[in-house]
Amino acid sequence: DVKVTQSSRYLVKRTGEKVFLECVQDMDHENMFWYRQDPGLGLRLIYFSYDVKMKEKGDIPEGYSVSREKKERFSLILESASTNQTSMYLCASSFSVRELFFGEGSRLTVL
Amino acid sequence: GDSVTQMEGPVTLSEEAFLTINCTYTATGYPSLFWYVQYPGEGLQLLLKATKADDKGSNKGFEATYRKETTSFHLEKGSVQVSDSAVYFCALNHAGNMLTFGGGTRLMVKP
Repeated sequence: DVKVTQSSRYLVKRTGEKVFLECVQDMDHENMFWYRQDPGLGLRLIYFSYDVKMKEKGDIPEGYSVSREKKERFSLILESASTNQTSMYLCASSFSVRELFFGEGSRLTVL
Repeated sequence: GDSVTQMEGPVTLSEEAFLTINCTYTATGYPSLFWYVQYPGEGLQLLLKATKADDKGSNKGFEATYRKETTSFHLEKGSVQVSDSAVYFCALNHAGNMLTFGGGTRLMVKP
């Protein structure tokens, strides 16, 4: 089975802090994604990566950056967290852009 | 651009009731259509898909038919169980493009 592991299930941070969300997949997938999930808005794509050191902006990249130094690891970075970044963050990986395999999510609260 | 609209939830049903979750889409051409499911405390997983008009996707007793004439992909199940309680997301994509998700519909099944 494909396993996508997100490092933290729950985080509480203060406004202005730097936040790292880590994601690791074990299926040698080329593609990795970061989404945020908000009630009524569904999933919105923040960034994706189709190869090591490659990244592409999604629909809502503002306030976020990413890092992919190794194929299995894709990190989401909030340089200076703000309260409107309180959300559920979902990492996914895939061989094809059609069938994504998701992690369990990281719920971030910014105070 | 592409968009997906789902009925707002929560949908509350008794066990063994018939389920319909409506999904309509706006897109050019002939996208592929998907239903993803998110069980409590878990990430999303692919439930079923259809890649061309009149195709029927099915899995775990759930079905959805790709209706090009009504731009719809409604999810149905003849007899729901408590274990079907989850959030259901309709999604679409064109070849090579990212998935576009609907807002999600929460289903609650009571014994």
